[in-house]
Amino acid sequence: DSGVTQTPKHLITATGQRVTLRCSPRSGDLSVYWYQQSLDQGLQFLIQYYNGEERAKGNILERFSAQQFPDLHSELNLSSLELGDSALYFCASSVGHSGSTGELFFGEGSRLTVL
Amino acid sequence: GNSVTQMEGPVTLSEEAFLTINCTYTATGYPSLFWYVQYPGEGLQLLLKATKADDKGSNKGFEATYRKETTSFHLEKGSVQVSDSAVYFCALSLLIQGAQKLVFGQGTRLTINP
Repeated sequence: DSGVTQTPKHLITATGQRVTLRCSPRSGDLSVYWYQQSLDQGLQFLIQYYNGEERAKGNILERFSAQQFPDLHSELNLSSLELGDSALYFCASSVGHSGSTGELFFGEGSRLTVL
Repeated sequence: GNSVTQMEGPVTLSEEAFLTINCTYTATGYPSLFWYVQYPGEGLQLLLKATKADDKGSNKGFEATYRKETTSFHLEKGSVQVSDSAVYFCALSLLIQGAQKLVFGQGTRLTINP
């Protein structure tokens, strides 16, 4: 158990819809990362937050957005869903400050299926 | 830029065979290096890490040595088991503008046959 909790574990929805994925980081971790994993594209970094502020942006589509709340949990919002958005979405957390080695702790993922 | 290149998979071996998965990196600075493993149906978990040159990370019979001169961090295991079947990701971490940035390789799928 990594200590990172993601909900829901599975989600099936239709094209054009909007979903929200939720992540609770490990106790004490300030940094949250979101990754997308699809069969053909491996692990794609989407976005990182540190203590409520956006720190880094990867290959995140404009239809996607995220935020980190004062209690440090994070949500990833996916809108106007397309078939190609079907994937596993992972959240990871880390201590985040400069003194750490950068080790990430991953949740078990949310599997999104868009029909 | 910063990048990680892994040996392309899939890799298929027989039980008790010797395993090497190659990983090389390019980085502007002095990264920490990691191997993560993803078992079927699960998230990624840290397998081992090394934070400076010549460090050796080891866990569950796996080893990798941080080689600065060859910018490599190859994963090895002397005798693999069926339970080692998984996807393995090499990664580096750098502190950039006050934030830790993690860069992953593309992953190598390993299948061990009994």
